[in-house]
Amino acid sequence: GAVVSQHPSRVICKSGTSVKIECRSLDFQATTMFWYRQFPKQSLMLMATSNEGSKATYEQGVEKDKFLINHASLTLSTLTVTSAHPEDSSFYICSAKGPYTDTQYFGPGTRLTVL
Amino acid sequence: SQQGEEDPQALSIQEGENATMNCSYKTSINNLQWYRQNSGRGLVHLILIRSNEREKHSGRLRVTLDTSKKSSSLLITASRAADTASYFCATENSGNTPLVFGKGTRLSVIA
Repeated sequence: GAVVSQHPSRVICKSGTSVKIECRSLDFQATTMFWYRQFPKQSLMLMATSNEGSKATYEQGVEKDKFLINHASLTLSTLTVTSAHPEDSSFYICSAKGPYTDTQYFGPGTRLTVL
Repeated sequence: SQQGEEDPQALSIQEGENATMNCSYKTSINNLQWYRQNSGRGLVHLILIRSNEREKHSGRLRVTLDTSKKSSSLLITASRAADTASYFCATENSGNTPLVFGKGTRLSVIA
């Protein structure tokens, strides 16, 4: 199956710093990428949908100025958590979808811990 | 927002037994997908079943879909300890919309 990578897999940062998470589709062109966050023992909550070359669509309650999403190419989307705070600590997962498939392929996730 | 519920929330069985997990959803769908997640890891796609399909098999997995009841079930036969994970159903409403996940079932298979 298709492969999606995320980098870094784990990051610990101080409160107030910004953190960038990369999501790459390794063997297919991802016309659409999705960003989710997951708190411990809970399900995935969609944060935003990004289509290559256009602005991301954010879900209600997700601050677009805090969670900056860029989908500049068909294989790369980035999520930047700006001025991170402890409550932003979570597991962030991206998924990618090509133009001719119903299946979303998920990255392995990034564990963010804000001290 | 979450589309629906998985049932049960947690399931503990002995190795070799079958495990059945159910998923209900609220709106009409294009397809329904089942994923597995090991603790602290990403999601692994298991099966996609389209709205015009009723049953699908993949190895030890069997998925059914009843659109009249807006429900799906995932059956894992002859379970193994390695099947221990959380299982999520997710629905896609139309072509390029994001998946909406259920709350998941935590399956523990005891050797």
